[in-house]
Amino acid sequence: EVQLVESGGALVQPGGSLRLSCAGSGYTFSDYWMHWVRQTPEKGLVWVSRINTDGSTTDYADSVKGRFTISRDNAKGTLYLQMNSLRAEDTGVYFCSRDTAGAHGYWGQGTLVTVSS
Amino acid sequence: EIVMTQSPLSLSVTPGEPASISCRSSQSLMHSIGHTFFDWYLQKPGQSPQLLIYWGSNRASGVPDRFSGSESGADFTLKISRVEAEDVGVYYCMQGLQTPYTFGQGTKLEIK
Repeated sequence: EVQLVESGGALVQPGGSLRLSCAGSGYTFSDYWMHWVRQTPEKGLVWVSRINTDGSTTDYADSVKGRFTISRDNAKGTLYLQMNSLRAEDTGVYFCSRDTAGAHGYWGQGTLVTVSS
Repeated sequence: EIVMTQSPLSLSVTPGEPASISCRSSQSLMHSIGHTFFDWYLQKPGQSPQLLIYWGSNRASGVPDRFSGSESGADFTLKISRVEAEDVGVYYCMQGLQTPYTFGQGTKLEIK
């Protein structure tokens, strides 16, 4: 059974940093592109970033470019999102998802990030 | 950025009756390899989103056949032939043709 488990969400002050993790199991982690998606009541689902199978290709939403870094450790079966210079508008539930035929075939349960003083 | 526009934003359906949700893309989602990179997702209350339809009309594994997707140019439709109580939640469309991937606003389906 495919499972994705996020962790690392927390309350952080504006300007602070946080690293999210997403542990994949039940499949060959290194065979699939991975994504991060944020959800807020105001904006709904917003795609944040993606990474290819070996980590050599990454893409970001304009709103996080230069502040967030996506990475992966295939040996550990884990996806990461390093979040720096956090802003209030980065608040939300962050989901990791596995790319399947270009779609988000599997999602984690989400981890809550709150940016507030 | 490709804009995805869903309608309606909410609907209330009697069990056993059909339902239809539309999504319009601001540009074609057809890839050169011949697939349309358009999906439908359902987020049930308290759960993560789940994939229903990919490539415009292909049901994901385990999705009941009462769900179907169709497309006509940049217009996409999700149809539920007979709504069941377990279908409640928010339905989202999404384009995966180019980054940034973009989602529709969501359509909340409730049971009458």
